[in-house]
Amino acid sequence: KNEVEQSPQNLTAQEGEFITINCSYSVGISALHWLQQHPGGGIVSLFMLSSGKKKHGRLIATINIQEKHSSLHITASHPRDSAVYICAVSPYSGAGSYQLTFGKGTKLSVIP
Amino acid sequence: NAGVTQTPKFQVLKTGQSMTLQCAQDMNHEYMSWYRQDPGMGLRLIHYSVGAGITDQGEVPNGYNVSRSTTEDFPLRLLSAAPSQTSVYFCASSYTAGGLYNEQFFGPGTRLTVL
Repeated sequence: KNEVEQSPQNLTAQEGEFITINCSYSVGISALHWLQQHPGGGIVSLFMLSSGKKKHGRLIATINIQEKHSSLHITASHPRDSAVYICAVSPYSGAGSYQLTFGKGTKLSVIP
Repeated sequence: NAGVTQTPKFQVLKTGQSMTLQCAQDMNHEYMSWYRQDPGMGLRLIHYSVGAGITDQGEVPNGYNVSRSTTEDFPLRLLSAAPSQTSVYFCASSYTAGGLYNEQFFGPGTRLTVL
């Protein structure tokens, strides 16, 4: 069974700080997802990656397949970045690839 | 495009009642799924479908039933509600099930309380 561990569970930062959220998983995957859950509850997909690095605005996601580890970075954090960030993985192809496994999330609070 | 829609947004049931949570998507996605989210736990897969007429169980299927008669709709039925089914339910869809083509699109969620 694939386990997905996120750290830290909670994170408080001052506006403008550089933020890193980590995700580790235990088995081979075909893709890793970073999701954002707003305080109102809605969930949106931020990144989907299987290798290297992706960047959208102030968000950067990296993945190291050999180490089974991914990081989500937020540069110049802002109070509107306050949310729960969720890591999820889809295993290699086959029946199991249909079943995403989710981490428990990292709750980020950015203080002005 | 409306994306993924869910109804109702909130629901209170008594133990033993049955109900159907509705989910629809207008993106012609093959893959649809239902998750439940509970405090302190990650999202957990209840049931999923890889196309019309095809459904399968996820991690926590007991007490729930699904069907997929069209590409657009994927309703989740609670057969006899129990307090343990109090949760927030999310429906999601994607083009395919695996690999790099399965960016997940989530509905807004249904908050269900079973008394």
